[in-house]
Amino acid sequence: QVQLQESGPGLVKPSQTLSLTCTVSGDSISSGGYYWSWIRQHPGKGLEWIGYMYYRGSTDYNPSLKSRVTISIDTSKNQFSLKLTSVTAADTAVYYCAREADTTGGAFDIWGQGTMVTVSS
Amino acid sequence: EIVLTQSPGTLSLSPGERATLSCRASQSVTSNSLAWYQQKPGQAPRLLIYYASGRATGIPDRFSGSGSGTDFTLTISRLDPEDFAVYYCQQYGSSLTFGGGTKVEIK
Repeated sequence: QVQLQESGPGLVKPSQTLSLTCTVSGDSISSGGYYWSWIRQHPGKGLEWIGYMYYRGSTDYNPSLKSRVTISIDTSKNQFSLKLTSVTAADTAVYYCAREADTTGGAFDIWGQGTMVTVSS
Repeated sequence: EIVLTQSPGTLSLSPGERATLSCRASQSVTSNSLAWYQQKPGQAPRLLIYYASGRATGIPDRFSGSGSGTDFTLTISRLDPEDFAVYYCQQYGSSLTFGGGTKVEIK
């Protein structure tokens, strides 16, 4: 059974870089057929896709965040990561990692439990 | 960017009743690449439907999806107490966007 688990600081200062890691268990991140994504949810609000990465290196990002986002993969650790630079209070949210599967065409079939990140001094 | 508008914002129903949720896209969704998710408080979303009508693994058959082009519907044939939650649609035909959600609450 594939599981995803987010980890990282719960508090980030304004103007700094938010860094989160998602650890994949139960399958290899390099097994192919999957895109590894980050999604966030502002408190009490809807969902916002941040971006994804394929294990071979291709990426795609939400245009509204593209200038500040980097997603990377470490196949040796079976992890993928999110970096969001120059954060402000507007980046306070629950951050989820999720898997898109070829079989669902791009829908997110597996999600992590989410991690709350607060941007505050 | 394709904007998804979900209606109604809140649906007040009783257990056993039928729920019909709408998701309208600002432009046609390629290949009916539309999904539906259920989210309960404090939990991650759960995939219910993909490609507009494909039921995800383990999802009860009381959940069904339909529609094409710009108009999509999620139907819950008979509401179970565990179905009261927020439902989101998502399109992945052109980049990726989510709707604002519909809350299904107990009447």
